[in-house]
Amino acid sequence: DVKVTQSSRYLVKRTGEKVFLECVQDMDHENMFWYRQDPGLGLRLIYFSYDVKMKEKGDIPEGYSVSREKKERFSLILESASTNQTSMYLCASSLGGGLGYTFGSGTRLTVV
Amino acid sequence: GENVEQHPSTLSVQEGDSAVIKCTYSDSASNYFPWYKQELGKRPQLIIDIRSNVGEKKDQRIAVTLNKTAKHFSLHITETQPEDSAVYFCAASRSNYQLIWGAGTKLIIKP
Repeated sequence: DVKVTQSSRYLVKRTGEKVFLECVQDMDHENMFWYRQDPGLGLRLIYFSYDVKMKEKGDIPEGYSVSREKKERFSLILESASTNQTSMYLCASSLGGGLGYTFGSGTRLTVV
Repeated sequence: GENVEQHPSTLSVQEGDSAVIKCTYSDSASNYFPWYKQELGKRPQLIIDIRSNVGEKKDQRIAVTLNKTAKHFSLHITETQPEDSAVYFCAASRSNYQLIWGAGTKLIIKP
């Protein structure tokens, strides 16, 4: 089974802090994704990457950046955390064409 | 733009009855349609999927149907059980590696 591991299950950060969320997958998937999940809003794509050092903006990239230096690792960065970024963050990886989409367990981030 | 509409947002059924969740997609190039189940506090997990060259697929109590002409696809769960309670997401493939997601349906199974 593909495993997608997110480094933290719960995080509490202060407004203005720089926050790093880490995601690692172990199945050599080309594509990796960061979503945020809020009640009633489903899964909203923040950024995705289809190759090392490649990144594409998703639907809600404002306030976020990403880094993919190695194929297995995709990091989400909140440059200056704000309270409206309090959310559940889900990482996923996949094969091409949407196949094999596998999610991590999620990081619940609270910004105070 | 491309989107996937999912209905209903909440569905409450009696245990043992059937549940149907419907999705409509807009991108005629979509050719892969998975369904994910997310139990409370857990990650979404794939439960069934269908490709555009197939009209129906079954796996025990769950089935998915696809109408490409109408751009509709549906999830059918028969003989519902308490463990079916979850949020279900439909999705459609997009050309640029992604899936376009529906907003989710909260399925409640009443004892």
